[in-house]
Amino acid sequence: AQKVTQAQTEISVVEKEDVTLDCVYETRDTTYYLFWYKQPPSGELVFLIRRNSFDEQNEISGRYSWNFQKSTSSFNFTITASQVVDSAVYFCALSEASYNTDKLIFGTGTRLQVFP
Amino acid sequence: KAGVTQTPRYLIKTRGQQVTLSCSPISGHRSVSWYQQTPGQGLQFLFEYFSETQRNKGNFPGRFSGRQFSNSRSEMNVSTLELGDSALYLCASSLAGVAGNTGELFFGEGSRLTVL
Repeated sequence: AQKVTQAQTEISVVEKEDVTLDCVYETRDTTYYLFWYKQPPSGELVFLIRRNSFDEQNEISGRYSWNFQKSTSSFNFTITASQVVDSAVYFCALSEASYNTDKLIFGTGTRLQVFP
Repeated sequence: KAGVTQTPRYLIKTRGQQVTLSCSPISGHRSVSWYQQTPGQGLQFLFEYFSETQRNKGNFPGRFSGRQFSNSRSEMNVSTLELGDSALYLCASSLAGVAGNTGELFFGEGSRLTVL
């Protein structure tokens, strides 16, 4: 069965600190996709990144970076020099790639609070 | 470009009633999926529709149903409401219904249902 675990329920940091959000996944599929979404107080989920199972290259986008390691089934997300606007709930998600589907399996989310 | 629009944004119902939620996907998107978000269960997949056909269904009772119209707009219905149905219901759309290929599932801001 597929499962996504985000062990950190809530993280609080002070502005300009770096913070890493952990994500561990389980799947028997050999081909799959991993995602990170941000949910601000308004409610909608905002797409941050997708990574497929064959691409283990780390990715950096501005202050955001992602570390994908198949050996440990982890897909961690780091925010460098955090800002108050980064405060939100962050979700890691997994989808099957074998079928045409938009079904995502979400982790329980990590609430990040960045204080000024 | 308009995003995913969900109506109503907030509603209050009493146990035993039924509710219908509406979702208008981004223009050109043919796939619509629905998710339920609660504090206890997190984000859970309800069902998805592609070209008016239900393509996948989550593990929810038959009280939860949906449909998609020829213009890709979708509705979901919950009959005989229970207290536990109180949740944020999120709708998402994608271009081709394969989240992995499109790289992004666009979410609406959700409909917050309170059952009293």
